[in-house]
Amino acid sequence: QKEVEQNSGPLSVPEGAIASLNCTYSDRVSQSFFWYRQYSGKSPELIMSIYSNGDKEDGRFTAQLNKASQYVSLLIRDSQPSDSATYLCAFRGILTGGGNKLTFGTGTQLKVEL
Amino acid sequence: NAGVTQTPKFQVLKTGQSMTLQCAQDMNHNSMYWYRQDPGMGLRLIYYSASEGTTDKGEVPNGYNVSRLNKREFSLRLESAAPSQTSVYFCASHFGQLNTEAFFGQGTRLTVV
Repeated sequence: QKEVEQNSGPLSVPEGAIASLNCTYSDRVSQSFFWYRQYSGKSPELIMSIYSNGDKEDGRFTAQLNKASQYVSLLIRDSQPSDSATYLCAFRGILTGGGNKLTFGTGTQLKVEL
Repeated sequence: NAGVTQTPKFQVLKTGQSMTLQCAQDMNHNSMYWYRQDPGMGLRLIYYSASEGTTDKGEVPNGYNVSRLNKREFSLRLESAAPSQTSVYFCASHFGQLNTEAFFGQGTRLTVV
């Protein structure tokens, strides 16, 4: 089983709709969770981080974390064509030897259609 | 403030050639990473350095070596390039605590022919 699972998509939503992106993870000791957005040919950029169970809202973006069920999701309200990108879920967990590492999912491609 | 800088941006190698990808960050970050990104595979960790003086293997280390030259710089070396190493390579860094953001360089697009 992969450490992080994401539906590769593409996920198509009409402009103005809510886009829902989901991610499940297998590492029960994961501590921190992140959503990165990556435009084609560009590097990933952080859009949301979440560390405790529940919802976290930032503008049009809401991240939801459920550690018991081991999933994290990202909601994008009022989707815009500029939101069309690949969204990467990532988590950071503690290593037995100390330190931590960031593990990524394969990403979900989102297309917002006019 | 440059953030994370990678060089070169593009490179074409012949099979068997060697090269070093350079990465430098000016944010005083402790941890640095090298990832490769292939279509449909997401970002896969090659090597990481939790702090200056330490390096560890990630998910796909075969065919690569790294050097944490100092706190700022983390290089990735391909000793004998193979077509399977054709990919986009990203360097990233962060402070090292669990709840800190990782910043990425602009990427190096490597083609091995």
